[in-house]
Amino acid sequence: NAGVTQTPKFQVLKTGQSMTLQCAQDMNHEYMSWYRQDPGMGLRLIHYSVGAGITDQGEVPNGYNVSRSTTEDFPLRLLSAAPSQTSVYFCASSYSLAGPYGYTFGSGTRLTVV
Amino acid sequence: RKEVEQDPGPFNVPEGATVAFNCTYSNSASQSFFWYRQDCRKEPKLLMSVYSSGNEDGRFTAQLNRASQYISLLIRDSKLSDSATYLCVGSNYGGSQGNLIFGKGTKLSVKP
Repeated sequence: NAGVTQTPKFQVLKTGQSMTLQCAQDMNHEYMSWYRQDPGMGLRLIHYSVGAGITDQGEVPNGYNVSRSTTEDFPLRLLSAAPSQTSVYFCASSYSLAGPYGYTFGSGTRLTVV
Repeated sequence: RKEVEQDPGPFNVPEGATVAFNCTYSNSASQSFFWYRQDCRKEPKLLMSVYSSGNEDGRFTAQLNRASQYISLLIRDSKLSDSATYLCVGSNYGGSQGNLIFGKGTKLSVKP
């Protein structure tokens, strides 16, 4: 099925460990982004990309890196995990930056940092 | 000030009721607006886009008032399956954000 695929679905990390959250889409979307969702905070933008080789920071970029070497893939790297990064992470993609088609989201990665 | 603000809810309504959600946005340059639905422990899914002329999709009606910077969603004849969190979303063009800005969501619970 076409869409946005995120892996892993669940992950537990120890403080200080690093890891990469994977995101891939097969809809040929130029725009991709990463959000985190915390209780009472809503969805907050971490990083986004408007095409291969182009990335930019969102609202809460500290502690995360991204790269976009292909149109399909947009991995999110946690450099040194902290308990404050315990959250649900969603990857999204779209034909355009801000509409009119909205975003398609992946099913999420639930990350716990202990 | 949060750029998109919603009724916090929760809204607890009986089946068959009509329920309305309201949302305000602070960026007058916002061009695109949406309502998303998010089920518990699932990803947000696009419910409908919102246009200045208003739009309807079955039991759902969305309205946009640019003068008041106000968006609404009306659900008629509520079903148990409508129970979810509804996210109001606006866009920004340009700037470091330049993306969709999500409200915190309004939780709806439809009871038998």
